[in-house]
Amino acid sequence: QVHLVESGGGVVQPGRSLRLSCAASGFTFNSYGMHWVRQAPGKGLEWVAVIWYDGSSIYYADSVKGRFTISRDNSMDTLYLQMDSLRVEDTAVYYCTREDLSPLSPYFDTWGQGTMVTVSA
Amino acid sequence: LVMTQTPATLSVSPGERVTLSCRASQSVSSYLAWYQQKPGQAPRLLIYDASTRATGVPARFSGSGSGTEFTLTINSLQSEDFAVYYCQQYDNWPPWTFGQGTKVEIK
Repeated sequence: QVHLVESGGGVVQPGRSLRLSCAASGFTFNSYGMHWVRQAPGKGLEWVAVIWYDGSSIYYADSVKGRFTISRDNSMDTLYLQMDSLRVEDTAVYYCTREDLSPLSPYFDTWGQGTMVTVSA
Repeated sequence: LVMTQTPATLSVSPGERVTLSCRASQSVSSYLAWYQQKPGQAPRLLIYDASTRATGVPARFSGSGSGTEFTLTINSLQSEDFAVYYCQQYDNWPPWTFGQGTKVEIK
């Protein structure tokens, strides 16, 4: 059974850092592109970042570019999101998602349960 | 590329048929997905490639459209279908963009 389990969320002050992890199981992790998507309290979904199956390509939303770093360890079946210079507006539930294998249809076929990040003084 | 969903909220009774709309600011061909999100839960993939149901999705859910206009139809709404529904384009990326969501609530 395919599973994605996020961890690492918490309460942090503005300007500080936090690293999220997403442990994958039940599928061949090193074959899939992986994304982070976030959802601010009471708001909609916002795509954050993507990393190719082999780490060869990475893209970020403009709102996090230069502050967040996505990475993966295929030997550990784990996805990461390093969040630096956090802002109040980064407060959200962060979801790890798996991209479908088809190169023409990169939709998100599996989601983790999410981890809450609260940025507050 | 902006995705616009209408209406923001839909009040319906169980058993009714509902139609949700999603419009793209430019053509996304058929590269559109629909997700369902219940309170306190992660989103769940319902439809991809505009009209293909994901594994395990009941047949009462159907998607249609191409280009800039898309619809999600739920026939005979069940109690477990009350949720927020998001459309998402994956034709022109990055970024992957979502609509703002349509909440289907009990009338």
